[in-house]
Amino acid sequence: GNSVTQMEGPVTLSEEAFLTINCTYTATGYPSLFWYVQYPGEGLQLLLKATKADDKGSNKGFEATYRKETTSFHLEKGSVQVSDSAVYFCALRVNDYKLSFGAGTTVTVRA
Amino acid sequence: GAVVSQHPSWVICKSGTSVKIECRSLDFQATTMFWYRQFPKQSLMLMATSNEGSKATYEQGVEKDKFLINHASLTLSTLTVTSAHPEDSSFYICSVNGGQAYGYTFGSGTRLTVV
Repeated sequence: GNSVTQMEGPVTLSEEAFLTINCTYTATGYPSLFWYVQYPGEGLQLLLKATKADDKGSNKGFEATYRKETTSFHLEKGSVQVSDSAVYFCALRVNDYKLSFGAGTTVTVRA
Repeated sequence: GAVVSQHPSWVICKSGTSVKIECRSLDFQATTMFWYRQFPKQSLMLMATSNEGSKATYEQGVEKDKFLINHASLTLSTLTVTSAHPEDSSFYICSVNGGQAYGYTFGSGTRLTVV
């Protein structure tokens, strides 16, 4: 089946620190990969995506590269801000259009 | 992109009563919508796929009679939690499949508390 394994949190960082959240997946077929962000009390927002191997998704300073050889889609940001404090979810979708989510990683950035 | 409005954002109800949650696709005709449930500090669990004009498809372990889903139009799906109990307290989120153009768009969620 399809599944996503995500680095456990919580992660606490200082402002301007480097952030990495690991995400690996197993899938039958060729998945599209996503990172979603959830701010407190809100729904999910798409942060970035990649639809095929070696694609790099990027948005708001965040990046993730679709690595087929390591079945990974790690999220990175070079310099985080307090406003980046949120829960981050890695997700995948194969042909059946259902999203499979990782467990989520809570990130707290301190000023 | 697709805009999804979910209402109410929070609701408190007494045990034994029913609660209806609405999910509206404001600028996209959605033949398919999804309902998720999220427990505190946990991931989203897909409950069911709502299909316009036909019966919803429920995930294994989700009670169909407990969580009634109606998708009567291309812009509205509703989730009714019937005879709610405290264990139904959770964060419920809907999502619209906006196709290749818009991808998946999520509502802002509904916090249900059953007392």
